[in-house]
Amino acid sequence: EVQVVESGGGLVQPGGSLRLSCAASGFTFSSYWMSWVRQAPGKGLEWVANIKQDGSEKYYVDSVKGRFTISRDNAKNSLYLQMNSLRAGDTAVYYCARAKEGQLAAYYYYYMDVWGKGTTVTVSS
Amino acid sequence: YELTQPPSVSVSPGQTTSITCSGDKLGKKFASWYQQKPGQSPVLVIYQDNKRPPGIPERFSGSNSGNTATLTISGTQAMDEADYYCQAWDSSTVVVFGGGTKLTVL
Repeated sequence: EVQVVESGGGLVQPGGSLRLSCAASGFTFSSYWMSWVRQAPGKGLEWVANIKQDGSEKYYVDSVKGRFTISRDNAKNSLYLQMNSLRAGDTAVYYCARAKEGQLAAYYYYYMDVWGKGTTVTVSS
Repeated sequence: YELTQPPSVSVSPGQTTSITCSGDKLGKKFASWYQQKPGQSPVLVIYQDNKRPPGIPERFSGSNSGNTATLTISGTQAMDEADYYCQAWDSSTVVVFGGGTKLTVL
């Protein structure tokens, strides 16, 4: 079964750090871009970060640049999100998602076809 | 880059409903749509404007032209009640989601 399972969430004080993990199974992890997407309580989806198959390209939403780092270990079929200098506004459910990307008819596509159940991060004193 | 969706849409069971997603020259990008039911993870229902992943019912369809992408649900069922999000890729913002539309089946 194709799946991704997040872990590592919890309660952390403002300014603290947390490392999220995502374990992938049922597919060739090293062949896919991967993403982190978050959802604050009662709010919509917000893309957080992407990483290319070999880790050579990484992209972040502006609000986390310089504080969050996405990484992967293809040997362990795992994706990570190191979150530093956490703020109350980072409180959310964090989803790991497999992505498909490419170019078709001169247009680029990127979508997420496999999602985990999410892990909850709460930043509060 | 921003994608704009109506906050809510209502439909009667068995009727056809459409949810729009607007963005500058969105028709020159590929749009995807996700369904999210309360307490659950998002599920991809449309990708590359109009393609359905395996397991997604045929009543879900998509289109994209000009500045608007549209998710259409034909013969809407009570089980389709959910939040729906459009998503696209843009060179400036990379991945962007719309604000989401709450579909109510009355």
